[in-house]
Amino acid sequence: AQTVTQSQPEMSVQEAETVTLSCTYDTSESNYYLFWYKQPPSRQMILVIRQEAYKQQNATENRFSVNFQKAAKSFSLKISDSQLGDTAMYFCAFMKPSQGGSEKLVFGKGTKLTVNP
Amino acid sequence: DTEVTQTPKHLVMGMTNKKSLKCEQHMGHRAMYWYKQKAKKPPELMFVYSYEKLSINESVPSRFSPECPNSSLLNLHLHALQPEDSALYLCASSQAGVTGLLSGNTIYFGEGSWLTVV
Repeated sequence: AQTVTQSQPEMSVQEAETVTLSCTYDTSESNYYLFWYKQPPSRQMILVIRQEAYKQQNATENRFSVNFQKAAKSFSLKISDSQLGDTAMYFCAFMKPSQGGSEKLVFGKGTKLTVNP
Repeated sequence: DTEVTQTPKHLVMGMTNKKSLKCEQHMGHRAMYWYKQKAKKPPELMFVYSYEKLSINESVPSRFSPECPNSSLLNLHLHALQPEDSALYLCASSQAGVTGLLSGNTIYFGEGSWLTVV
């Protein structure tokens, strides 16, 4: 079974600074997908970024980028130029390929990020 | 803005009531999901529908009854719930894979329905 570990329950950062959230996972699969989701106080789960394991290039999405280290099974999220609106719970999630659309996400326990003015 | 819409946003129900949560998506997705999320925890998968057929039931108690009337709609019927069932219920959708081919489609979530059982 796959597991996802987020070792930082809470983090804080000053506005405009950079912060990195860590995530490690355990799997015997060679092909899989990794995600970061953000859940602000409004509680909607919002996709931040997606990474395919077969791609060596790290995914980026505006101020958000990942450092994907497949051999180390590490998938950290870097947020540059932090904004107050980035305050949220961040979940790292793993998905292995499936047939017929029955996708299953394995979530970490989350990291609560607070951006301070 | 989410393209997965859930109603109602908030629901308070008694333990003897029957109520339903509704979810709608217009992204052409053929897989739809129900998740349950307790405070300060990650979401837990409850049900998955793929091409309008129930494909995954994560051993959810029968007081929760899902229904997928068509490819855009997903309901969760609630009956005889317990106070511990109070939680945020998230609906989600994704592209569905092709039978025989492996895929890893991104799952998109709605805003959730807050359920309180009194």
